[in-house]
Amino acid sequence: QSALTQPASVSGSPGQSITISCTGTSSDVGRYGYVSWYQHHPGKAPKLMIYDVTNRPSGVSDRFSGSKSGNTASLTISGLQAEDEADYYCSSYTTSTTVIFGGGTKLTVL
Amino acid sequence: EVQLLESGGGVVQPGGSLRLSCAASGFIFSSYAMSWVRQAPGKGLEWVSAITAGGGTTYYADSVKGRFTISRDNSENTQYLQMNSLRAEDTAVYYCAKGVGATGKKTLDYWGQGTLVTVSS
Repeated sequence: QSALTQPASVSGSPGQSITISCTGTSSDVGRYGYVSWYQHHPGKAPKLMIYDVTNRPSGVSDRFSGSKSGNTASLTISGLQAEDEADYYCSSYTTSTTVIFGGGTKLTVL
Repeated sequence: EVQLLESGGGVVQPGGSLRLSCAASGFIFSSYAMSWVRQAPGKGLEWVSAITAGGGTTYYADSVKGRFTISRDNSENTQYLQMNSLRAEDTAVYYCAKGVGATGKKTLDYWGQGTLVTVSS
């Protein structure tokens, strides 16, 4: 099963908003409401930012939001801050009862 | 505070074996599913395996099925990944991650810092 499709990189200036897309199929993203987003600073432990498409764990800034339409999920970060610069990965549950990740998106804060 | 500490990584020859461990603390280990996720050099995250809270059900990615075995010892708050018949493409940082709920692998709410496995002759 191929990885979910994410843009390799996105960038934005401090204070701006950016959106990262995550495209799957009707066997994963389109089938279930189980899309998660993770923030990963290289060398550190990945951090859960969004789960079940739209939910934020306690302690995650409300500048982070998630949505889904059809086979594509999206992560939006508003009011970009320097510390948001990181790699972001989406994941989805699949009809094979496994989990699949996206290829990752490098966010650069200009 | 939830803590997950992986160990057991290292350099191994193709065809060899390695066992990774993940020591957990800060939560009731026996109540939560656990997973392993890996990241090959310069690549993205890849889900590898998961095990339910009681250890009765396991799941594997096709890429490791038949070669890797996940297990856990709830009395020791530790999960394991036994890796056999290792290939060069198994070279990666392996992360231990906690699932949400007893069967949860869809959402991983805490992760360790990872342990590096290098398969090379």
